[in-house]
Amino acid sequence: EAQVTQNPRYLITVTGKKLTVTCSQNMNHEYMSWYRQDPGLGLRQIYYSMNVEVTDKGDVPEGYKVSRKEKRNFPLILESPSPNQTSLYFCASSHGGTDTQYFGPGTRLTVL
Amino acid sequence: GENVEQHPSTLSVQEGDSAVIKCTYSDSASNYFPWYKQELGKRPQLIIDIRSNVGEKKDQRIAVTLNKTAKHFSLHITETQPEDSAVYFCAALDSNYQLIWGAGTKLIIKP
Repeated sequence: EAQVTQNPRYLITVTGKKLTVTCSQNMNHEYMSWYRQDPGLGLRQIYYSMNVEVTDKGDVPEGYKVSRKEKRNFPLILESPSPNQTSLYFCASSHGGTDTQYFGPGTRLTVL
Repeated sequence: GENVEQHPSTLSVQEGDSAVIKCTYSDSASNYFPWYKQELGKRPQLIIDIRSNVGEKKDQRIAVTLNKTAKHFSLHITETQPEDSAVYFCAALDSNYQLIWGAGTKLIIKP
């Protein structure tokens, strides 16, 4: 089944404790993105990647890191999480920028 | 950079009536405009998209129109049904291949 998976789905952590949210797709897509969704602010892109070893900053990259060592995986790293990073995070993938983006199920992160 | 504004933020329509959501964008180089629907507690899903070489596209009860001169595009839903209740997002792909999103419209279908 074609899908985008994210793990974990829910995470409660404390300020400063490094964490990684994994994202994996099995559709051989070149383009992958990370978004955060906050009430009233819609979807804001954190980072995107047009292919392996190519990553670009989105609208809100501060406090986040990504890597794209393999085509299928695009992990999101929070080196030192802070409470303002409490949010719902979505990973998405597509063949290219002008193709349908398939979203993962979301990761709800709470930073205390 | 690209900026996308979406209106209204909330739209309430009677079941069976039409709903229209409008978006404006700033980057004249943008050439791809998708619309996504997000039901409560679920992930966004593409419902329709349009490219800059087309002025209108229809898919059953859903249509999107694009006015490149005025830099705005709209989503039209006819004969609305309860299952149309959701948050709808417009987006525009800028010249850096970054997808810029509107803030969303909560569509409420009244029985």
